[in-house]
Amino acid sequence: DIQMTQSPSSLSASVGDRVTITCRASQGISNSLAWLQQKPGKAPKSLIYDASTFQGGVPSKFSGSGSGTDFTLTISSLQPEDFATYYCLQYNTYPYTFGQGTKLEIK
Amino acid sequence: EVQLVESGGGLVKPGGSLRLSCAASGFTFSNAWMSWVRQAPGKGLEWVGRVRSKTDGETTEYTVPVKGRFTISRDDSKSTLYLEMNSLKTEDTGVYYCTTRYCTGGSCYSWIWGQGTLVTVSS
Repeated sequence: DIQMTQSPSSLSASVGDRVTITCRASQGISNSLAWLQQKPGKAPKSLIYDASTFQGGVPSKFSGSGSGTDFTLTISSLQPEDFATYYCLQYNTYPYTFGQGTKLEIK
Repeated sequence: EVQLVESGGGLVKPGGSLRLSCAASGFTFSNAWMSWVRQAPGKGLEWVGRVRSKTDGETTEYTVPVKGRFTISRDDSKSTLYLEMNSLKTEDTGVYYCTTRYCTGGSCYSWIWGQGTLVTVSS
């Protein structure tokens, strides 16, 4: 199985900050990577697919980049509603696998 | 509107069985490869398994912890996905989500998620 190593596991930031979350795949996955946002008690919500393409309706403050094994999610100008847990998901090779999550908290 | 709605969760004793359903709408269900993902309390997301479309053989794949106990099936006439869970263990407790990648016109886009249904395995 492809291992997805996501870092950091938690992150403390302030409103207005810019943050970056990374995911590293144990082998190349081309651009078959999605970023998900999950708030407590809610289902995951897709933000980005194919590493860098926005899900419709997602603010442009979220941006994704990378290909192969290294990927990043950048969130600019943090707002209170952005504080949540973020997951990466590789769907290049079955079984699809998730990163362990990054909990973004308000400083 | 593209939508997935799960149902069927509940409290069941260890060793018991439960059948989850996922009703799909807003896309061509029969063409979709459908999956189940679960999340134990306070933990991350885990892929449970998937079923291919009938055109692609309607074959299934499962993660190792559920292989031989869980069965994924689909009824394209009802646009519904199922997860039959047998010999349930306490570690199967969690929220179960159905998901698929939205594809239309030969192109695939983002992942769609249901709201989830809670399964609690406890004596």
